[in-house]
Amino acid sequence: GDSVTQMEGPVTLSEEAFLTINCTYTATGYPSLFWYVQYPGEGLQLLLKATKADDKGSNKGFEATYRKETTSFHLEKGSVQVSDSAVYFCALKVYTGTYKYIFGTGTRLKVLA
Amino acid sequence: NAGVTQTPKFQVLKTGQSMTLQCAQDMNHEYMSWYRQDPGMGLRLIHYSVGAGITDQGEVPNGYNVSRSTTEDFPLRLLSAAPSQTSVYFCASSNDRDGYTFGSGTRLTVV
Repeated sequence: GDSVTQMEGPVTLSEEAFLTINCTYTATGYPSLFWYVQYPGEGLQLLLKATKADDKGSNKGFEATYRKETTSFHLEKGSVQVSDSAVYFCALKVYTGTYKYIFGTGTRLKVLA
Repeated sequence: NAGVTQTPKFQVLKTGQSMTLQCAQDMNHEYMSWYRQDPGMGLRLIHYSVGAGITDQGEVPNGYNVSRSTTEDFPLRLLSAAPSQTSVYFCASSNDRDGYTFGSGTRLTVV
């Protein structure tokens, strides 16, 4: 069945460090892929998306590339800030007669000053 | 601002009480869903709707009802609250092209 697997957290980094959060997926058809961010006490916000293979989504310094050959959508940022501390969710959306969304379990990121 | 509005933001219920969590969106999205978020469990789909008059169950529907009489509104009803329903509830909506837009959540405690 369709699924999303993302790396276990928490991930703790120093400010200005490089960030990678791994995400792999299994899906029938041609899913769209998303990263969402959830700050403490808030709902999930769409961070970036990619709708087809080799697309790169980007926003606020974060990037992720849709890799069909490795079924991956890893989130990266070159230099994290304390304000990036949040929980990050990888998700896919696939059409199987109706739209179905599958979320990963979330990865908590803590950035230390 | 356009988006998904959830009310109330916080609620405490006694076991056995019923209540309705409200969700409204003003983006003319056809697709709406309710999720619950529990520590260590990620997001779990309760019910969803692909348009007015159409609803279906998600992975954890027991104890909850929904209806979709208009495109804008998608209320979630707790029939007889139980402590196991203590959670944070999120409503979300989307169109065909984009990902979800989430509401800010309702934090429910059942005592």
